Amino acid sequence: QVQLVESGGGVVQPGRSLRLSCATSGFIFSNYGMHWVRQAPGRGLEWVAIIWYDGTYKYYADSVKGRFTISRDNSNNTLFLQMNDLRAEDTAVYYCARVRTPYSGYDFNYWGQGALVTVSS
Amino acid sequence: QSALTQPPSVSGSPGQSVTISCTGTSRDVGFYNRVSWYQQPPGTAPKLIIYEVSIRPSGVPDRFSGSKSGNTASLTISGLQAEDEAYYYCTSFTKSSTFVFGTGTKVSVL
Repeated sequence: QVQLVESGGGVVQPGRSLRLSCATSGFIFSNYGMHWVRQAPGRGLEWVAIIWYDGTYKYYADSVKGRFTISRDNSNNTLFLQMNDLRAEDTAVYYCARVRTPYSGYDFNYWGQGALVTVSS
Repeated sequence: QSALTQPPSVSGSPGQSVTISCTGTSRDVGFYNRVSWYQQPPGTAPKLIIYEVSIRPSGVPDRFSGSKSGNTASLTISGLQAEDEAYYYCTSFTKSSTFVFGTGTKVSVL
């Protein structure tokens, strides 16, 4: 069965960096686009970034562009989110999500359990 | 990248129908038929319930249906059940090759 497991969350000071990982299993990782989506405490969902199945294309929300970098290691079935220059407003649960069909970027039908990132001094 | 607009809450009695609107622009909802809907009970990860405006994934009850007209998409829950109580979010692909979520709607079953 498809499994997505995020790790790397924690408490970090403003301006510092953190890297999230999403370990996957149960499907051919290199065939699927992957997303990061976040949810601030008590708030709605916010799309963060997408990386195509082969890493060719990456797109970001304006709120994180230039500070966050999405990447993937297809040989180890793992997705990453490098977060630099963190701000208080980046505090959220970060979900990795897999797209519904191979070689596409649309619709997220598998989600991890989420990793909490808290930015606070 | 402004969030798509959804009503904060809707409610209905068991068996009734409720409809949630999702209003965007010609650069997102109105641009392409890549509107999806997600159900999120409190404390859990979201679940895909509609994709490409109106298609239900396998296992999603047929009381959930989706549609779109112009820049507004809609999710209708017919025959409301207690287990449908959750937050619902729409999302759309955009002309910038990014995605945008709706503001979210809390569905309450009276």
